[in-house]
Amino acid sequence: EVQLVESGGGLVQPKGSLKLSCAASGFDFNSYGMSWVRQAPGKGLDLVADISSKSYNYATYYADSVKDRFTISRDDSQSMVYLQMDNLKTEDTALYYCTVEVGDYFDYWGQGVMVTVSS
Amino acid sequence: DIQMTQSPASLSASLGETVTIECRASEDIYSNLAWYQQKPGNSPQLLIYDANSLADGVPSRFSGSGSGTQYSLKINSLQSEDVASYFCQQYNNYPWTFGGGTKLELK
Repeated sequence: EVQLVESGGGLVQPKGSLKLSCAASGFDFNSYGMSWVRQAPGKGLDLVADISSKSYNYATYYADSVKDRFTISRDDSQSMVYLQMDNLKTEDTALYYCTVEVGDYFDYWGQGVMVTVSS
Repeated sequence: DIQMTQSPASLSASLGETVTIECRASEDIYSNLAWYQQKPGNSPQLLIYDANSLADGVPSRFSGSGSGTQYSLKINSLQSEDVASYFCQQYNNYPWTFGGGTKLELK
């Protein structure tokens, strides 16, 4: 059974930092791209960042809104994916989902972790 | 970026009714389209990929169709457990983008 368990969310002040973690199990983690998708309260879904597998040289993508502030990384030995979020803004407030891309779509989702940016 | 426009934004239907949700892409996405279901308080779940292929475990009352820029999700014989928000997503051109969602409620 595929499991994606996020952690690391919380309340942070503007310009602060948080690091989200996602522990993956139940599939061949090394073979697939991993993504972070966020959902602001009552809103739709937005791809924040993703990272490909080693086969694709761990290529990364960032949404324009988070470029130069967020960094996605992965540890294949631990089946973990991370999202380092710096210089957080109030508009980053959202539920952050960890997802796995078996196809080029989001096959499995974690339960999500809430990030609230507020003074 | 490819813009995905869903309609309607909200929908109210009766049990047993057939429901259709539309998704329009700003350019041809060659059937590289997925649909997700998000029940209240839950994470999204993959329903359909490649525009018309059902994901594992998805009931056959769900179906997807379309081509080019126009796609649709149909739910036959609506059940109470289908109350949810539905999102389309294109994966033809990076970055992958989502539609704004359709909230389905029971009448």
